Amino acid sequence: KNQVEQSPQSLIILEGKNCTLQCNYTVSPFSNLRWYKQDTGRGPVSLTIMTFSENTKSNGRYTATLDADTKQSSLHITASQLSDSASYICVVRGGGFKTIFGAGTRLFVKA
Amino acid sequence: DTEVTQTPKHLVMGMTNKKSLKCEQHMGHRAMYWYKQKAKKPPELMFVYSYEKLSINESVPSRFSPECPNSSLLNLHLHALQPEDSALYLCASSQGFLAGDNWDEQYFGPGTRLTVT
Repeated sequence: KNQVEQSPQSLIILEGKNCTLQCNYTVSPFSNLRWYKQDTGRGPVSLTIMTFSENTKSNGRYTATLDADTKQSSLHITASQLSDSASYICVVRGGGFKTIFGAGTRLFVKA
Repeated sequence: DTEVTQTPKHLVMGMTNKKSLKCEQHMGHRAMYWYKQKAKKPPELMFVYSYEKLSINESVPSRFSPECPNSSLLNLHLHALQPEDSALYLCASSQGFLAGDNWDEQYFGPGTRLTVT
């Protein structure tokens, strides 16, 4: 069964600290994996895309990793800011038209 | 212009009403999507249009009726909804529907917050 599981469900960190969010998937075949950031009441915004051959990709303070062998991805946020408070959704594109969304990790950054 | 716009932002409707949600993009994207999102849950795909043709209908009840009048517009017609249909309805678009690089990157609109009373 094609699934995308994210952990933790929620996370509270202090401003300025780093954090890492996890995404495990069982989608096969695999096309790509994206991390989206969704602010409350808004649409998701794409942060990074990872294809099979890519291990690491950065977008500012966001760094995504992909291990295609273990089917795991992570999103590392460096020097967190209050504006990083949001839900982070891992989305895996499989074969054909299949797109599987994870349940998301809700991140709260406190001053 | 990398924006997907949705109107209205908020909608309250009774179970006997007929209303429509509107989505618009001017990025030349040929794939457009409707999603339903309940609180604290990920978006659930409802419909996909590719080149103005309905490509995917995820077994959505007929009280939701999509329409793609042209490549820039996507509508969702609502009729006889139930209270459990209350949710955030998101529209998205992408260059195409094929996987690979940024071709299938979806740009989301801000959503319409629908309340059915």
